[in-house]
Amino acid sequence: QVQLQESGPGLVKPSGTLSLTCTVSGGSISSNNWWSWVRQPPGKGLEWIGEAHHSGSTTYSSSLKSRVTISVDKSKNQFSLKLSSVTAADTAVFYCARGTRYDFSTGYGIFDHWGQGTLVTVSS
Amino acid sequence: DIQMTQSPSSLSASVGDRVTITCRASQAISNSLVWYQQKPGKLPKLLIYAASTLQSGVPSRFSGSGSGTDFTLTISSLQPEDVASYYCQKYNSAPFTFGPGTKVDIK
Repeated sequence: QVQLQESGPGLVKPSGTLSLTCTVSGGSISSNNWWSWVRQPPGKGLEWIGEAHHSGSTTYSSSLKSRVTISVDKSKNQFSLKLSSVTAADTAVFYCARGTRYDFSTGYGIFDHWGQGTLVTVSS
Repeated sequence: DIQMTQSPSSLSASVGDRVTITCRASQAISNSLVWYQQKPGKLPKLLIYAASTLQSGVPSRFSGSGSGTDFTLTISSLQPEDVASYYCQKYNSAPFTFGPGTKVDIK
């Protein structure tokens, strides 16, 4: 069974860069899937941040693309998120998720496996 | 980008009631829609994909329908363990936008 686990600092200073890693176990990051990050501010809804493929291809949310980088490390079976120039509005629980599809005409946006989530607070 | 809306934003119903949640896309997305359930303090759980296909292990009281721009999630007989927020999300292509969520409580 595929499992995902987020790791990284729980506190980031304003204007700094938020960095998180998701470790995939029970499966290969080089499988036919894409790997996404989703965030959820306290008490609010889910927001998709972006996705990456083991080939190095990425897609990002329009509203965050100027500040986001997602990358895959095949040797470690991990993928990572970097979000720059953070403010208090970026405080959220960050989830990593596996994206899959069952139809060749769609994107890999069926998130069937999720990490437990990690709270990142932006504060000085 | 395609926007997703949901209604109602919250509802309260009695155990055994039939509950319906509506999701609307600002442009047609065929049947490329998923529903997630998120219980308080927990991670989201995939309930339904392709608008109407139940994920393995999901109780049969959950069902989904719709295509194009209008979709529904129905709980045929609400149970106490169904207290949660429910989110729709499009996946025809990135960006994979979520709806704002519907919070379901027991009356």
